Amino acid sequence: IVLTQSPGTLSLSPGERATLSCRASQSVSSSYLVWYLQKPGQAPRLLIYGTSNRATGIPDRFSGSGSGTDFTLTISRLEPEDFAVYYCQQYAYPQGYTFGQGTKLEIK
Amino acid sequence: QVQLVQSGAEVKKPGASVKVSCKASGYTFTNYYIHWVRQAPGQGLEWMGIMRPEGGNAAYPQKFQGRVTMTRDTSTSTVYMDLSSLTFEDTAVYYCAREMKESYHFDYWGQGTLVTVSS
Repeated sequence: IVLTQSPGTLSLSPGERATLSCRASQSVSSSYLVWYLQKPGQAPRLLIYGTSNRATGIPDRFSGSGSGTDFTLTISRLEPEDFAVYYCQQYAYPQGYTFGQGTKLEIK
Repeated sequence: QVQLVQSGAEVKKPGASVKVSCKASGYTFTNYYIHWVRQAPGQGLEWMGIMRPEGGNAAYPQKFQGRVTMTRDTSTSTVYMDLSSLTFEDTAVYYCAREMKESYHFDYWGQGTLVTVSS
């Protein structure tokens, strides 16, 4: 299953709303769709699992939604620390795990 | 606290092998799976396989079958990833990451190990 994220780069200002898309080439179980963020020089960090469940310590301005082949990560009001690269990930048997190519969220 | 601490950077020649370690602490080692994910410079994330420490079995995607081997040492709570027949395209940061059994997401990650393949 191929995951395609859009846009490739998103330029927004702090306080604005961000909407990131992840589209799958085949239907993905909502239990297996995950979002991570990665800052330069750091390992990825878990944000959302099972499409809409926030990981421990993730603020409620982050939310996930979607089903089938279309999934969305929304950041309701951007904080300076939110500017990073975001990856979606899925699991499917027997191929295993795949990641999207990433969306870079940059300060406008 | 949960920690995954990886071994240091490596420089290898084409055709050689590299072995990267991931030492777990702060939780019961056999209750979680360990995955390996790599990231080439400026690129995205690529899953390389899973090690299930309780039984010691591993599984790899087709791309890496025959070239990657994952093992574990339960006495030291360490997982190893061995990648052979290195090419320049294997230059990347290699991460280990933890998965609670059957949760299908990675909640803790190691700090990453840079492997550089250079002649």
